[in-house]
Amino acid sequence: EDKVVQSPLSLVVHEGDTVTLNCSYEVTNFRSLLWYKQEKKAPTFLFMLTSSGIEKKSGRLSSILDKKELFSILNITATQTGDSAVYLCAVEDGGTSYGKLTFGQGTILTVHP
Amino acid sequence: KAGVTQTPRYLIKTRGQQVTLSCSPISGHRSVSWYQQTPGQGLQFLFEYFSETQRNKGNFPGRFSGRQFSNSRSEMNVSTLELGDSALYLCASSLEGPLRGHTDTQYFGPGTRLTVL
Repeated sequence: EDKVVQSPLSLVVHEGDTVTLNCSYEVTNFRSLLWYKQEKKAPTFLFMLTSSGIEKKSGRLSSILDKKELFSILNITATQTGDSAVYLCAVEDGGTSYGKLTFGQGTILTVHP
Repeated sequence: KAGVTQTPRYLIKTRGQQVTLSCSPISGHRSVSWYQQTPGQGLQFLFEYFSETQRNKGNFPGRFSGRQFSNSRSEMNVSTLELGDSALYLCASSLEGPLRGHTDTQYFGPGTRLTVL
């Protein structure tokens, strides 16, 4: 059974702080790891990682994958109140496990002004 | 390009009733996955459809079913509703090209909030 564990479960910071969110996983046949941001309704896609050691960046957000140690981190620098959300990590199993993402519990990030 | 759309956005039903939720994927996307999100269990995979065929199914009882139409639109049905079925139901679509080796991102719709009384 695939498994994803995120830490911390919640985090409270002030604007301008840098945060690191962690995601560890167990998957039978790794295909990809994805990060999503969920504010009110739909999770919105942030990054997809498939190769170890290659950092993906988008503005103040960046993420990297370590396939040997089975984890990923999501960094957010110079946080803003608009970054307040639940950040979800998910893994996709290859093989015949079509269309299934296994999600972690999520990290609730609260950014105070 | 329009995103994934789901209807209705909110639904209130009573125990024992049945409900049908609809999902229209992003144009050109052929794979549709359904998820249930609850505060206690988080996001859990229900099933996935591609070319009108269910290819994968999660660990949910048979009361949960779905189908996909030739235009890739999908519906899910829950029969004999229980209080525990109250949740946000999300669908996600991906391109799922002809070669399985291609890695596709799943994009989520806004969800249908189902409340069972």
